[in-house]
Amino acid sequence: EVQLVESGGGLVQPGGSLRLSCAASGFTFSNFGMTWVRQAPGKGLEWLANIKRDGTETNYVDSVKGRFTISRDNAKNSLHLQMNSLRAEDTAVYYCVGSLTWGQGTLVTVSS
Amino acid sequence: QAVVTQEPSLTVSPGGTVTLTCGSSTGAVTSGHWPYWYQQKPGQAPRTLISDTSNKHSSTPARFSGSLLGGKAALTLSGAQPEDEAEYYCLLHYNAGRNCVFGGGTRLTVL
Repeated sequence: EVQLVESGGGLVQPGGSLRLSCAASGFTFSNFGMTWVRQAPGKGLEWLANIKRDGTETNYVDSVKGRFTISRDNAKNSLHLQMNSLRAEDTAVYYCVGSLTWGQGTLVTVSS
Repeated sequence: QAVVTQEPSLTVSPGGTVTLTCGSSTGAVTSGHWPYWYQQKPGQAPRTLISDTSNKHSSTPARFSGSLLGGKAALTLSGAQPEDEAEYYCLLHYNAGRNCVFGGGTRLTVL
């Protein structure tokens, strides 16, 4: 069974940092590009970033460029999102997506 | 940044047919935008229904189909069921996937 499990969410103060992780199983992780998507409370989906299967190319939405970094470890079947300089508007459920499968999401709350 | 547009809400009768569309501010949607469609029910993570315009996920019910229609991507539901009531999102890929944009979502009511 293809499965993605996010972790690392929580409450962080404005200006703080958080690192999200996504553990992949049930498919050949290194064969697939991966994506992070978020959903603010009561809002729609927002594409954030993607990374090629070998990690050689990454892309970001303008609102997180320079603050967020997507990375992967194919040896450990894991995807990461390093989030710095967090703002209140970054409050959302963050989803890991790959191989047409979505994780269950992890909630990030940015508040003082 | 392109803007992707969807109908905010649609209603379909049980057993009826409805088409949801996905347009782009940059012009006609083509297969090169690799349109994807997702379904999200309240309190749940989204799930993939359609990839690359018309390819169904292994778990996608046969009553869902994807296509290009009149310069837009389209998701057609034929024979709506009560369990199809959900929010539906499309995703378009620009610049060979270097920039991707979701539509605002369509809230589908089966009534």
